[in-house]
Amino acid sequence: EVQLVESGGGLVQPGGSLRLSCEASGFTFSDHWMSWVRQAPGKGLEWVASIQQDGSEKYYVDSVKGRFTISRDNAKNSLYLQMNSLRAEDTAVYYCARDFKTVAGSRFDYWGQETLVTVSS
Amino acid sequence: DIQMTQSPSSLSASVGDRVTITCRASQTIRSNLNWYQVKAGKAPKLLIYAASNLQSGVPSRFSGSGSGTDFSLTISSLQPEDFATYYCQQTYSTPPVTFGGGTKVEI
Repeated sequence: EVQLVESGGGLVQPGGSLRLSCEASGFTFSDHWMSWVRQAPGKGLEWVASIQQDGSEKYYVDSVKGRFTISRDNAKNSLYLQMNSLRAEDTAVYYCARDFKTVAGSRFDYWGQETLVTVSS
Repeated sequence: DIQMTQSPSSLSASVGDRVTITCRASQTIRSNLNWYQVKAGKAPKLLIYAASNLQSGVPSRFSGSGSGTDFSLTISSLQPEDFATYYCQQTYSTPPVTFGGGTKVEI
């Protein structure tokens, strides 16, 4: 059974940092792209970042470029999101998701439960 | 960036109703369109991928159609567990991956 379990969320002051983790099981982690998606209170889903299987390609939404870093450790079946210079608008629940890519396209076929990040003084 | 516009933003329906949600892309995305169901406190769930393909384990009352810029998600007979928010997502031109604004299906 595929499982994605996020951790690391919490309350942080504006300008602070937080590192989210996502531990994967039930599939060959190193075979897949992985992504982070967030949902701010009362808002819709927003893609945040994606990383290629070996970590050589990384992509970010413009609003987090230069502040967030996505990374992975395939030996530990783990995905990370280092969030620096946090702002109130980064407050959201964060999901990790498996990005299943085929020649026909891409889809986020498995998601974690969520971890809540609150940026407030 | 490709913008995804869903309509309606919310709807009220009853158990047994047929419900259709539409999603329009700001430019062609061929069939690179996915649909997700989101419930509070639960992991989002992939329902439909590549516009019309039912994800494994998803009930057959869910169906998707469309290509190019116009897409729809239909629930043929709404069940109590289907009350949720639904999002479309394009993966044709990335980054960025973009989602529609969501459609909340309420009783």
